[in-house]
Amino acid sequence: KQEVTQIPAALSVPEGENLVLNCSFTDSAIYNLQWFRQDPGKGLTSLLLIQSSQREQTSGRLNASLDKSSGRSTLYIAASQPGDSATYLCAVSRIQGAQKLVFGQGTRLTINP
Amino acid sequence: EAGVAQSPRYKIIEKRQSVAFWCNPISGHATLYWYQQILGQGPKLLIQFQNNGVVDDSQLPKDRFSAERLKGVDSTLKIQPAKLEDSAVYLCASSRTSGNSYNEQFFGPGTRLTVL
Repeated sequence: KQEVTQIPAALSVPEGENLVLNCSFTDSAIYNLQWFRQDPGKGLTSLLLIQSSQREQTSGRLNASLDKSSGRSTLYIAASQPGDSATYLCAVSRIQGAQKLVFGQGTRLTINP
Repeated sequence: EAGVAQSPRYKIIEKRQSVAFWCNPISGHATLYWYQQILGQGPKLLIQFQNNGVVDDSQLPKDRFSAERLKGVDSTLKIQPAKLEDSAVYLCASSRTSGNSYNEQFFGPGTRLTVL
């Protein structure tokens, strides 16, 4: 059974800092890994999707890496801004069958002005 | 392109009552998902439809939860009777198709259920 863990559960940093969020998964036989953002009272917004054949994806100030062999992914946020405050979730999907996403519990990020 | 629509946004009921949630996926999306997100946890898949057929309902508490997707478009999720532990946000998502090629899932705003 796939399990996804995110550390830390919460993180508070001053504006302008670069930061890293961590995600680990127990079964390396994944199809892809996805990072989402969730604002309070809102649904999930997809940030980056890394397919199993890829090692990283970049979008603006965000960079996500994937190491399947070690069961780890990191989300790097450069030059953090107060608008980046949200909960960040990672999720993995299996290689075959239904594209069910298994989520971590999320990291609640607060950027202080 | 309109996003995934869900209603109601909020619902408060007492335990043992019944409740229903509605989801309208993005037009043309064949696959629809219902997730349950308990406070402080990540979403957990309850049921997945491909058109109007069930693909995965292994984590759906079938003694009290039911879902349907008539005509392969809108979907409803029902809880009867509700328990205190059903308090959560219920998220609906849709994607173009399933199978062996991944298609990105798009999420609705969710329905926050409080059971008293």
